[in-house]
Amino acid sequence: SAVISQKPSRDICQRGTSLTIQCQVDSQVTMMFWYRQQPGQSLTLIATANQGSEATYESGFVIDKFPISRPNLTFSTLTVSNMSPEDSSIYLCSVEDQNTIYFGEGSWLTVV
Amino acid sequence: AQSVTQLGSHVSVSEGALVLLRCNYSSSVPPYLFWYVQYPNQGLQLLLKYTSAATLVKGINGFEAEFKKSETSFHLTKPSAHMSDAAEYFCAVSGGYNKLIFGAGTRLAVHP
Repeated sequence: SAVISQKPSRDICQRGTSLTIQCQVDSQVTMMFWYRQQPGQSLTLIATANQGSEATYESGFVIDKFPISRPNLTFSTLTVSNMSPEDSSIYLCSVEDQNTIYFGEGSWLTVV
Repeated sequence: AQSVTQLGSHVSVSEGALVLLRCNYSSSVPPYLFWYVQYPNQGLQLLLKYTSAATLVKGINGFEAEFKKSETSFHLTKPSAHMSDAAEYFCAVSGGYNKLIFGAGTRLAVHP
């Protein structure tokens, strides 16, 4: 199974600032995904990131707010821009490997 | 379109008792189904998955789930609960292109 590392694991951010979350996988994967889990809620897909193409965003999420990079087959970043307290969430990177979706440990962001 | 319904946001069992967490799905195509567990302050860990092979799927930590097409269900069970099973459990269906659609989650409490 794929091993996924995320940085930062936790952070406290000032409103109006932006933060970039990094996701590193220990093997080459075609598809990487970014999910959000708001406090006490389930997970919602933000976007799908494929190497060499623009990320595909789900309804309710836009590139200006959540720009994503996918420079190679083992790495992706998600930026949360112009943060507000409503962006306080866990952001999880995931990958598909042999028909199974694996998740990182998540990045726990608190916006104050 | 795919969707997942988890019946019961909170389930409480005694240590040693049967654990039954309910999940019903809706899918216009043969589904891939997953159960994930989230321990406090941690990311998501895959418990088990159904990908159109055997309908009874065994996972980690003594959990298993049975795919019942006629009932559109994928309930998670464990014969004997342990205190360490206390966590949040999420059922998910693959919504095509490996995107997961999650249920709302069920918080399992295990008491002595």
